[in-house]
Amino acid sequence: AQSVAQPEDQVNVAEGNPLTVKCTYSVSGNPYLFWYVQYPNRGLQFLLKYITGDNLVKGSYGFEAEFNKSQTSFHLKKPSALVSDSALYFCAVRDLNDMRFGAGTRLTVKP
Amino acid sequence: DSGVTQTPKHLITATGQRVTLRCSPRSGDLSVYWYQQSLDQGLQFLIHYYNGEERAKGNILERFSAQQFPDLHSELNLSSLELGDSALYFCASGLSGRATGELFFGEGSRLTVL
Repeated sequence: AQSVAQPEDQVNVAEGNPLTVKCTYSVSGNPYLFWYVQYPNRGLQFLLKYITGDNLVKGSYGFEAEFNKSQTSFHLKKPSALVSDSALYFCAVRDLNDMRFGAGTRLTVKP
Repeated sequence: DSGVTQTPKHLITATGQRVTLRCSPRSGDLSVYWYQQSLDQGLQFLIHYYNGEERAKGNILERFSAQQFPDLHSELNLSSLELGDSALYFCASGLSGRATGELFFGEGSRLTVL
């Protein structure tokens, strides 16, 4: 079965500093990987995805993610964090039948 | 706005009762997914419908059932409700037959069981 893991429940960074939210995956075959963000009392919003090709994927709001096959990782990154980036971030893996999510990482960006 | 509509936004009911949550997918999307989000268990996949047929089941209790109608809207029925069923229930829709497409989520239905 496909799965993703987010090893950190919480990530704290200062505004202006780079941020990384970690995700590792376990799949058989080609991984289709996604990042979503959830703001309080809202649905999940799509940020970016890796399907194939370039290992560095660029997405919405200045976020990017690096796919690393040897480390089975798909970490979300942003060069300079904003206070408004504070939210819950989910990594996910998809196949034809379903999309499975990690437990989520709460990102807090402090002024 | 994702284009996915869920109703009701909030629902308060008592243990033992039955509720129905409704989802209208984005225009053109044939697939509907249901998820449960609770504080201690993250986002749990419940069930996936594609063009009216059940495609996959996740951690869905026997007390829960779902269906997708010819107009592609979907309903999630929760019966014999327990306190532990209190959660946010999300519906998502996506492009049919492709694992490479992202899912689009509704704003959720918050169920409180008292």
